[in-house]
Formats: sequence, C-alpha cells, structure tokens
Amino acid sequence: GAGVSQSPSNKVTEKGKDVELRCDPISGHTALYWYRQSLGQGLEFLIYFQGNSAPDKSGLPSDRFSAERTGGSVSTLTIQRTQQEDSAVYLCASSANVAGVGGNEQFFGPGTRLTVL
Amino acid sequence: AQSVAQPEDQVNVAEGNPLTVKCTYSVSGNPYLFWYVQYPNRGLQFLLKYITGDNLVKGSYGFEAEFNKSQTSFHLKKPSALVSDSALYFCAVRLRFSGNTPLVFGKGTRLSVIA
Repeated sequence: GAGVSQSPSNKVTEKGKDVELRCDPISGHTALYWYRQSLGQGLEFLIYFQGNSAPDKSGLPSDRFSAERTGGSVSTLTIQRTQQEDSAVYLCASSANVAGVGGNEQFFGPGTRLTVL
Repeated sequence: AQSVAQPEDQVNVAEGNPLTVKCTYSVSGNPYLFWYVQYPNRGLQFLLKYITGDNLVKGSYGFEAEFNKSQTSFHLKKPSALVSDSALYFCAVRLRFSGNTPLVFGKGTRLSVIA
C-alpha cells in the first residue's frame, strides 16, 4: 500500500485480557515507531525499531507491553493483562533511512483506538 | 534531553485572518523541527520541516514556519485561515545527526477557525 496501515482500527477488550495491535509500514522503510496518544496528553513514545538493530524499548510503560518486528517489516504491539489506563489511541509510524542525517519525517498510520472496559 | 512546548492548548481565529500556532523547543545541540496536523479520527499528517538553510520553511496547504535559533522557536503560520484548517497541530523536534531516532512531540494545540 501507499501508506502505513494499522489493524484493527478499533479494539474493545475486557480488563485482564491480552491484545495485539498490528502495523504495516511503508515498503522499504527501515525505521518503525510506536506511540500512544491519550486524551490531552500528546504523543508518548513507546518503542523504536531501526533495521536489524536492537529496538529502543525505553518508552514502554511496563513489562506488560512488548513489540516485535518480523522480517524488518510488519510489527505487532502486544499488551498483556490490559488495564483501564491502557485505553488510548496507539499510533504506528515509519521512516526511510538516510544514515546519520536524521532529517526524515515520520509517516503515521491511522491508529488503533483501544478501549479497556 | 529534548523537549517541545506548545504554550496554547487552544487557538481560535476567524476565517480569513492570519493564524499562528506557537512552538518552542529545547535540545542540547542543533535541531531538526517538524509540524504535523491531525484531523479527527486520523493519524498525524506531515506539514513541513526545518532541516537547514533558509529559516522560513513553506509546507503543505499554505502553511509556513520560521525557525528562530535565538528564541528557540518554530511557530507555525498561515496568512489567511480556512475553516478546514481546524484540527490538532503538533510540533516535534529531533537532535540533528541523531539518525532516525524518534521525534519528541509537544502536547498539541487545537486550532478552531470560525466562519
């Protein structure tokens, strides 16, 4: 596809259940990012993948959150034992790689709205 | 550490009037600066960026922004606002030569353009 896609667009789950959110980045983009957007809180960085390097997990709020990126393309964000405070919009973004320069913009998907009841 | 401040949660402007959405940044070095727009129930859309060169950057939909190093600001402007410009605007920063590290975003400013 032409842009970043995410699925599902909406997810309603019960507290304590596990959820998986999927991101398909733009083809050829080596960098992939997950952010969380809560009402009135702006964008909170969660995790960042760059090529084959170890991911930067410094933004993950707890060990209930994990993410993987298979084959350098699709990524899955997993939230175990969901809590009500996990309710938010989860945004994925990807970016092309220009080594060392850093001026590339991130392209965002439409997001997954997660509601934990 | 890098940070972005958007001092106004909400900006209201009449259609046809000029608009300004403010952004100041803090980085331990030279920045790359970005503006994004988010329409309801949509992801963020890239508007413009400052990398180097001319301090006045022009972007999509008639928006522009001016990099001011002495004031550490990167305010977004448009000469004549449209109702369709009503949306949530985010400023973001990245340290220059830091590769593709994640952008650091401000909390956003909601722009309402009134007909």
